[in-house]
This record gives sequence, structure tokens and C-alpha cells, in this order.
Amino acid sequence: GAVVSQHPSWVICKSGTSVKIECRSLDFQATTMFWYRQFPKQSLMLMATSNEGSKATYEQGVEKDKFLINHASLTLSTLTVTSAHPEDSSFYICSASLAGDYNEQFFGPGTRLTVL
Amino acid sequence: AQSVAQPEDQVNVAEGNPLTVKCTYSVSGNPYLFWYVQYPNRGLQFLLKYITGDNLVKGSYGFEAEFNKSQTSFHLKKPSALVSDSALYFCAVRPRNSGNTPLVFGKGTRLSVIA
Repeated sequence: GAVVSQHPSWVICKSGTSVKIECRSLDFQATTMFWYRQFPKQSLMLMATSNEGSKATYEQGVEKDKFLINHASLTLSTLTVTSAHPEDSSFYICSASLAGDYNEQFFGPGTRLTVL
Repeated sequence: AQSVAQPEDQVNVAEGNPLTVKCTYSVSGNPYLFWYVQYPNRGLQFLLKYITGDNLVKGSYGFEAEFNKSQTSFHLKKPSALVSDSALYFCAVRPRNSGNTPLVFGKGTRLSVIA
């Protein structure tokens, strides 16, 4: 299957700083990528849909000014958590799929963010 | 609205016994159906999907799932469970002709296989 990478795999930062998470599709081009957040022992929460070359579409309740998403190329999307606070601590997972509604989504390994 | 239900938060199975993880969906038409597995602190790994044709779909690691249109179910099964199968399992759905929209996930079922 296709491979999606994420970097970093874990990050610890101080409250008030910004953190950037990268998501790359390594062996395919992804016009669309998805960003999820997962709390401990809970399901995935879709945060936003990232489209190459255009603005991301955010889910209701997700602050677009806090969670900045940039999809500058067909293989890279970034999520920046701005002015991070302890409540932003979570497991962030990106995903991408090939074109076609019958195709599965391929997930990155996730990024564990801890805000002190 | 589309939805996926995984009625069991936790399933416990003895090693060597068959396992079933349940999934039902509420989507108009015949959707595409998916199963994923997640190990601790990892992303989701794709197991299998139903697109069309044979209702019994075989996937990775010996898992299979059966599409039942009348019951709107897509239960995940394995004939003989392994301790290494212990993980979090997610069922997901996407309507046909919906383009590259995100999958809709169930809340997940934690499988524990006991030696």
C-alpha cells in the first residue's frame, strides 16, 4: 500500500509556542489530505480536509487560526499548532488517499504533542 | 447523515478461538466499507475493504469481513485469534460517488486476546 510519513513522531513544547507537524505521501501524489486528532482511548476526530493549492476545510468547532494547515504540494501538508496550550496535547494523525471514492485512506504514524 | 456503529467498546477472546468485531452502518445506497487496526501510539493500518462483488472480503493478517446488505453490517472476523491481534479496531464507511471525502469512522473496539 501507499506510504504516508509524519514528522516529528513526538514533540514536547512550552505553552505559548508554535509547533509544526509535517505529513508526506512518499510514493503517491495526494491532492487531498486529512488531519485527525485522537484523545486517549477515543476515536478519531476529523479536524480538517487539506486540499493542494487551496484553503483547508475545517470541521465545525476547530479553530482555523489556531490549527493552520498548508498543503503546498501534492506530497506535503503541514499542520501548525499556534500558541499551543496544555489542552492541545494530543495525538495528531494525518491521512491521504488516492483519487477515487473506493480507495482507502493511508495513515501516517501519528505525532504525539505534549504542551507543558 | 452517515454513521457507523461499533456496539462493543471491548471484546475479549481466548487465543486460538474465533473472533468477531461488530460493525453496522447507516448510509444511503451501497457504501464502501473499510476496517482498520491501530496499535498503541501508531497510526491506523488498513486491513480490508468492501467495494462490490463477493460479500466475504479477505484482508491482511488472516482477517476477513462479511458484508450483509439486509442487516447493514460489516463484521470483522478471524478464525483463530492471536495475542498479537490485541489492538484497537475501527470500522469506516464512505458513500459511493462521494469523491475523495474523508471516511466516517466508528468509535473503535478494543480487542484483547488472552493467552
